[in-house]
Amino acid sequence: AQTVTQSQPEMSVQEAETVTLSCTYDTSENNYYLFWYKQPPSRQMILVIRQEAYKQQNATENRFSVNFQKAAKSFSLKISDSQLGDTAMYFCSLDSSYKLIFGSGTRLLVRP
Amino acid sequence: ETGVTQSPTHLIKTRGQQVTLRCSSQSGHNTVSWYQQALGQGPQFIFQYYREEENGRGNFPPRFSGLQFPNYSSELNVNALELDDSALYLCASSTNPSPNEAFFGQGTRLTVV
Repeated sequence: AQTVTQSQPEMSVQEAETVTLSCTYDTSENNYYLFWYKQPPSRQMILVIRQEAYKQQNATENRFSVNFQKAAKSFSLKISDSQLGDTAMYFCSLDSSYKLIFGSGTRLLVRP
Repeated sequence: ETGVTQSPTHLIKTRGQQVTLRCSSQSGHNTVSWYQQALGQGPQFIFQYYREEENGRGNFPPRFSGLQFPNYSSELNVNALELDDSALYLCASSTNPSPNEAFFGQGTRLTVV
């Protein structure tokens, strides 16, 4: 069975600092995608960053970057220069054919 | 804004009733997936519709059913509502069944009392 695990229910970071959110997953597929989604209080799931498993280079999107360790099945998200607007729930996700499998989420609070 | 709209935003139903939730997909998208997000949890896949046909289903009972229309908008119907059906229901649309380019709506908050 494919699973996604986020072991940090809550994280807190000072504005302008860097924070890393952890995620591990399990899949028997060789080629797959991994995602980090942000869910602010508005409830809408917003794609933050995407990583293709066959690409060794870690994905980056402005202040967001990932550390993808395929052998260890680890996929962490680093947020640099944290901003107040980054406060939200963050979900790690794995694609499984036609559906997404989500972790339980990490609540990130950015303190002013 | 993603162009995916869901209605209603909130609703309250009584146990045993039936409910219909609606999702208008983004222009050019022919696939709609539905997810249930219970409080404090990640979303769980309910089913997907691709070109008006069910293309996959998660571990949900038959009282969860769906429909996709020729304009690719979609409905989620839940019969015989139970208290545990209280959740945020999210739809996501995409140009094909792969979830790699999915865009989510803002969700419908369903409360069953």
